[in-house]
Amino acid sequence: QSVLTQPPSVSAAPGQKVSISCSGSNSNIGNNYVSWYQQVPGTAPKLLIYDNNKRPSGVPGRFSASKSGTSATLGITGLQTGDEADYYCGTWDSTLSTGIFGGGTRLTVL
Amino acid sequence: QLQLQESGPGLVKPSETLSLTCTVSGGSISGSKFYWGWLRQSPGKGLAWIGNIYYSGNTYYNPSLKSRVSLSVDTSRNQFSLRLASVTAADTAVYYCARSFSDVTLSWGSRVYSFYMDVWGKGTTVTVSS
Repeated sequence: QSVLTQPPSVSAAPGQKVSISCSGSNSNIGNNYVSWYQQVPGTAPKLLIYDNNKRPSGVPGRFSASKSGTSATLGITGLQTGDEADYYCGTWDSTLSTGIFGGGTRLTVL
Repeated sequence: QLQLQESGPGLVKPSETLSLTCTVSGGSISGSKFYWGWLRQSPGKGLAWIGNIYYSGNTYYNPSLKSRVSLSVDTSRNQFSLRLASVTAADTAVYYCARSFSDVTLSWGSRVYSFYMDVWGKGTTVTVSS
């Protein structure tokens, strides 16, 4: 069981917006920066968001993220079929002294 | 463009040592602010961080694996490596190497960590079986 909790799956229609939540505690999300990754099945993860809400060069503005207290949220607007993937949140846990990830959320674009 | 490529045996026997190497191309492993890390993903499961190494050789590991893990770096070959001892079936996974950013700042007297992986290798599957 992951230290960070994500919903197993979310779905939405093309063109719509979806949000994926990531819940933790004060020892991780509450006091450290959060990152988000997209993993198309069979491929390596790709960094989408770092330091809570910053996008690396090349990541479309349709992807955004925020953090409030011990939870973080990834938002995707203008959904495309190519967005179908698993999405993971990650951060550092100051108590466990380790990097940690959520269990992942499978996005289905209906 | 920075690229990372994992290499090593795809099959390891139980109780033996898993050894993988990551070759970095398109950039130098030395003298940057980044660490170099290993992660794994067990079949059907999520991501797990194994450990990071700096080009100087400084390392830090996931405490749950620390007793069995060793990372090393070869700057002359632009490579870094993973060794995982006494493997069991539970170590069967896709292993990824990645460039890792890791930094800590002070905010209101508390340490705030930034930790993420921005460039990943394609991954290599390692099966532990006799």
